[in-house]
Amino acid sequence: DGGITQSPKYLFRKEGQNVTLSCEQNLNHDAMYWYRQDPGQGLRLIYYSQIVNDFQKGDIAEGYSVSREKKESFPLTVTSAQKNPTAFYLCASSTPGQGTGQYFGPGTRLTVT
Amino acid sequence: SQQGEEDPQALSIQEGENATMNCSYKTSINNLQWYRQNSGRGLVHLILIRSNEREKHSGRLRVTLDTSKKSSSLLITASRAADTASYFCATSSSGGSYIPTFGRGTSLIVHP
Repeated sequence: DGGITQSPKYLFRKEGQNVTLSCEQNLNHDAMYWYRQDPGQGLRLIYYSQIVNDFQKGDIAEGYSVSREKKESFPLTVTSAQKNPTAFYLCASSTPGQGTGQYFGPGTRLTVT
Repeated sequence: SQQGEEDPQALSIQEGENATMNCSYKTSINNLQWYRQNSGRGLVHLILIRSNEREKHSGRLRVTLDTSKKSSSLLITASRAADTASYFCATSSSGGSYIPTFGRGTSLIVHP
């Protein structure tokens, strides 16, 4: 089955630690995205990548970093510089350009204490 | 960046009734998309409607787009308890990035 996987589903970290969230897709999509969702809120774009070895900052990139070394993988690192990291993180992929929807992974809920 | 705003924020109906959700946006768009999110899950793409389209159907879903009013509506007919979820509209602006910008969503509860 084609799709997007995110792991782990739940993640707990102590304040001051960096943490990396995994996102893998086998849909052969060129574009991948990371969003953050807070309770009762919409999705806010953190980073996106339209092609391997290239990525762009979204609306709330501060305190986050990404890499895109393989087409299938787009890991997100939440660094200690992110002031409010506790949130639900969603990864998505699509074929780039207008006229297509995005496919989402199941999400990772990160709790930092 | 522009953002669609859904209305109402919450909607509670009985099974079998129709559910209508609205989305308004501020600037010209290339397309508008509707997504569903079950609690604690990822989003599922429902329908994409382009700026030159006025209406699209998919099963029990009907989406309309009025570009003169900068608004869209999602109608779910004969709702079921399984339709309970949050529904988001997302807009891709014309002349700019194709990446959709999401609203805050409408929370729909369908009582059996």
